Amino acid sequence: NAGVTQTPKFQVLKTGQSMTLQCAQDMNHEYMSWYRQDPGMGLRLIHYSVGAGITDQGEVPNGYNVSRSTTEDFPLRLLSAAPSQTSVYFCASSYGLAGGAEQFFGPGTRLTVL
Amino acid sequence: DAKTTQPPSMDCAEGRAANLPCNHSTISGNEYVYWYRQIHSQGPQYIIHGLKNNETNEMASLIITEDRKSSTLILPHATLRDTAVYYCIVRGGTGGFKTIFGAGTRLFVKA
Repeated sequence: NAGVTQTPKFQVLKTGQSMTLQCAQDMNHEYMSWYRQDPGMGLRLIHYSVGAGITDQGEVPNGYNVSRSTTEDFPLRLLSAAPSQTSVYFCASSYGLAGGAEQFFGPGTRLTVL
Repeated sequence: DAKTTQPPSMDCAEGRAANLPCNHSTISGNEYVYWYRQIHSQGPQYIIHGLKNNETNEMASLIITEDRKSSTLILPHATLRDTAVYYCIVRGGTGGFKTIFGAGTRLFVKA
């Protein structure tokens, strides 16, 4: 199993550009989520999904869109990038019961918005 | 979702046990306590979780108080590679799969 994969690893955007951060998992996990981590800070939840076709907002959803058309993929879209979205983005997935299941994290995408 | 409180930083001597505390006084009966760590800028790594009983695995031990309002993660023989940020998280219950991270504890293991 490849686990949780994220592409690209690094990205530089100009203000106003749009892009999609890709996340995929091959573990048949129901739950997937996106976090951002600013320098020296903890992780903040952007959006999450409890299954194909079901998504919900986290702590900091503004400026980001998500969709979940398959169990495996959970892309994160930036519609109009802003310098405040410069951050490291982590995708995670987990299986089974809400309480008793660990999350597996991807390696992250480092995004810089100029 | 229940909130957790952790000290911002701790030091530990190499080879000694590292005891990392976490307060979660508003935890509900069906919420689990999870611990993760993050080394440098890598993705967080799962360590251990529990509901009400103490748990042990190859990485660490988790001690949960009887009233479940606090817990302690124990790294029995800390090494320099255990230097990381450790996150205590409460998950489950009415929050379901939603997982909120706090600021964590930065553990420095010193030679």
